[in-house]
Amino acid sequence: DGGITQSPKYLFRKEGQNVTLSCEQNLNHDAMYWYRQDPGQGLRLIYYSQIVNDFQKGDIAEGYSVSREKKESFPLTVTSAQKNPTAFYLCASGGYTYEQYFGPGTRLTVT
Amino acid sequence: GENVEQHPSTLSVQEGDSAVIKCTYSDSASNYFPWYKQELGKRPQLIIDIRSNVGEKKDQRIAVTLNKTAKHFSLHITETQPEDSAVYFCAASLRGRSQGNLIFGKGTKLSVKP
Repeated sequence: DGGITQSPKYLFRKEGQNVTLSCEQNLNHDAMYWYRQDPGQGLRLIYYSQIVNDFQKGDIAEGYSVSREKKESFPLTVTSAQKNPTAFYLCASGGYTYEQYFGPGTRLTVT
Repeated sequence: GENVEQHPSTLSVQEGDSAVIKCTYSDSASNYFPWYKQELGKRPQLIIDIRSNVGEKKDQRIAVTLNKTAKHFSLHITETQPEDSAVYFCAASLRGRSQGNLIFGKGTKLSVKP
């Protein structure tokens, strides 16, 4: 999992602004995932991508958007339509074996 | 929808005791069951996993058991140490949805008292 990076570690935004979270991996994994984690909660899937130029909505996609133009990169945009954006965001990648490895996370605070 | 239930939500043990965390899943098609450990403010780390063709798997002080008939799986930690204190998540891979996607339980906060 050392091959997955997320930036920045902490991010502060004003309400109504869009913000993009970065996720990069050098593990040559085809699949990449975005999860949201709230205090005391498990991980909820926002979006996932099994291959370049293709992605699918997860359980809580409303108010988020993604792109997958390169195998190594899967950025997540939190739009102003997301009603409760303050959370810990985790990116993960996985190969054909189903194992998923997580990045260090980005803690987003919107005020 | 699909769901993974995890119990207990909190668990406190004395150092040296064993700890057991249990999960149940609803989709009988699931075939992959990982366990993650997350320390405060850190990323979840994969600690052990099991596939549906195996009933038990061990790695030093950690073991996972799977009962496919009952659709439940458990994490067993023996000889617990203070550094085992963390939140543990179980997950199941649901083949019926997009292959490889994981559904997570809500986590168990394990505290090991010295």
